[in-house]
Amino acid sequence: ILNVEQSPQSLHVQEGDSTNFTCSFPSSNFYALHWYRWETAKSPEALFVMTLNGDEKKKGRISATLNTKEGYSYLYIKGSQPEDSATYLCAIAGRGSQGNLIFGKGTKLSVKP
Amino acid sequence: SAVISQKPSRDICQRGTSLTIQCQVDSQVTMMFWYRQQPGQSLTLIATANQGSEATYESGFVIDKFPISRPNLTFSTLTVSNMSPEDSSIYLCSVEDHWTSGGNEQFFGPGTRLTVL
Repeated sequence: ILNVEQSPQSLHVQEGDSTNFTCSFPSSNFYALHWYRWETAKSPEALFVMTLNGDEKKKGRISATLNTKEGYSYLYIKGSQPEDSATYLCAIAGRGSQGNLIFGKGTKLSVKP
Repeated sequence: SAVISQKPSRDICQRGTSLTIQCQVDSQVTMMFWYRQQPGQSLTLIATANQGSEATYESGFVIDKFPISRPNLTFSTLTVSNMSPEDSSIYLCSVEDHWTSGGNEQFFGPGTRLTVL
């Protein structure tokens, strides 16, 4: 059974700060890693899907890296804005069960103006 | 990406009653998924619903408690039966995009926030 750990659980930063979160997972049986951004009362928004060791993806001020050998991914936000406030979820798909995403508990980010 | 809607968006229910949650997708999809997030916990997969076959339930979830319908390729329902306060959660449906390279991407509905008294 895959277990996905995210840290920190919550984070409070000032507008303009850059920040990063961690997602840790067992490196065996890895197929893909997903990052989502979830604002209250809205649908979780897919940010990235990553499969290859060393992958780096970027979307505006948000970027992510993947290390499948050691089992971690980092999500970076450059120059945080209040609209970045949300819970950031990491999920892993294992080989043979790609549709079954195993989620971490998320990192709740609050950006103060 | 698929656009997914859910009804109701939230509800408050009495213990022992049942609630049916609807999930509508704006395009035809083969696989639909139902998740729940209990307070302070991770999003957890309840079952996978494929059109034309019975839903496949994950460990710890059973059909009698969470019956699922999948009458066509754009719609599904999840019923939470004989509710107890432990069923208070956010329930989300999702669909899988088969055309995304480098891994299957899932798109989620906005969720149904259920409180059981």
